This record gives sequence, C-alpha cells and structure tokens, in this order.
Amino acid sequence: SQQGEEDPQALSIQEGENATMNCSYKTSINNLQWYRQNSGRGLVHLILIRSNEREKHSGRLRVTLDTSKKSSSLLITASRAADTASYFCATDGGTASKLTFGTGTRLQVTL
Amino acid sequence: ETGVTQSPTHLIKTRGQQVTLRCSSQSGHNTVSWYQQALGQGPQFIFQYYREEENGRGNFPPRFSGLQFPNYSSELNVNALELDDSALYLCASSSGGRSTDTQYFGPGTRLTVL
Repeated sequence: SQQGEEDPQALSIQEGENATMNCSYKTSINNLQWYRQNSGRGLVHLILIRSNEREKHSGRLRVTLDTSKKSSSLLITASRAADTASYFCATDGGTASKLTFGTGTRLQVTL
Repeated sequence: ETGVTQSPTHLIKTRGQQVTLRCSSQSGHNTVSWYQQALGQGPQFIFQYYREEENGRGNFPPRFSGLQFPNYSSELNVNALELDDSALYLCASSSGGRSTDTQYFGPGTRLTVL
C-alpha cells in the first residue's frame, strides 16, 4: 500500500514558472526523500530532509517538512522543459530499510 | 547514469510461469532493494538485501523471493506468475541498510504477464 499521496496528481506549467507539489504521509518518519522519474524509467534521488529539519535547499529545489501535519512540499523554481517528469516522495516510516513511496505528481513543463 | 544495471530490459511471460530478474549494484554498495511499480503508481517495496541477508520485506507473498551474491549483485525470483505481477521492477543499491542512505536506482525491468 502507498504511504501517502502527492498533490496535485498532474501539473502543467510553462518554462520559467515555479512548480509546487505536496506530499502527505500517514505514519511517523525518520526522514522524507523526493525522487524524480522520467518516462517510467529508474528513479533519481533529489533531496532528503530529516524529521528534525523544517526546510532544505538544493539548487533550484526547496523542500519543506511539517511533521505535525505529516506533510512535505517540493518547490522547483524557474522550471525547465528538462524538469518534465514524475515526482515522488518517499518515507521510511520508522523502519530502517523500507522506503514507502507516494502516488506521484506528473509535471509537464512546456516551452 | 547510476551504475546500477538490470537485466533483462523487457520480459513477457505467461501466467503460472516463473521469472528471474537480475540487478548489479553500484561499485562499493552492499545493499540492494527491490521495488514493484504498477502503471500509474508509486514503487512498492518488495524486500532488501544487506550483505547477503534479507533486511526487511514488504507486503508481498512468499512466491516473491530473492538472493544476494558475494559480489552484492542480486536476483528477484517470482514463481507462479499472475496477471497482476505485470509491472516495472526496480532495484536500488545503497551503501548500507539504513533508510537515510541514498538509494541509486537501475532503469528497471518491464515484466508483462499474459
């Protein structure tokens, strides 16, 4: 079963705009990660935020985490066509080895 | 490129057959995790192998089994295939059996069960 859900399910924006996607999860976590997947291929790790962190930046990415609301958001600034992909959040659910992924947000960036 | 390879790329089987999928981990990694991703869904954790021992298992029946070899490559075996086993199977390698370790994913094996 999926741990959480991403919102929206699909997002279409123009190049240069910002894209925000949200993730909600159900159980307590040690950390939350965001991954990107291009066209049903392998996933690429983007960023990890620990449960005691509230915000983290990496290049054009900004991730926030609110453990009281069991939610996270991923902001991609100044989006590019190459950002077109599906984005997933993943939590560890407190278990050492298991990552539980959400349902994903499909992002389309048009020129 | 993550350095994680999977074979084969695509596979077609019929219901009731058995299948073996293979994964070569990134150099220096001792942990391999397997995931099943149905169309339009997020990946679901099948199991993880850390230094040749199973280190956690998801909600999959026993007909899903695995192995990890001394070189840390891994196999996923599925017996008595069912139509619902049609999915993209992803393996990911990491440097330790901890959730904080970054997992590096391979390109996946697309399995179709007819």
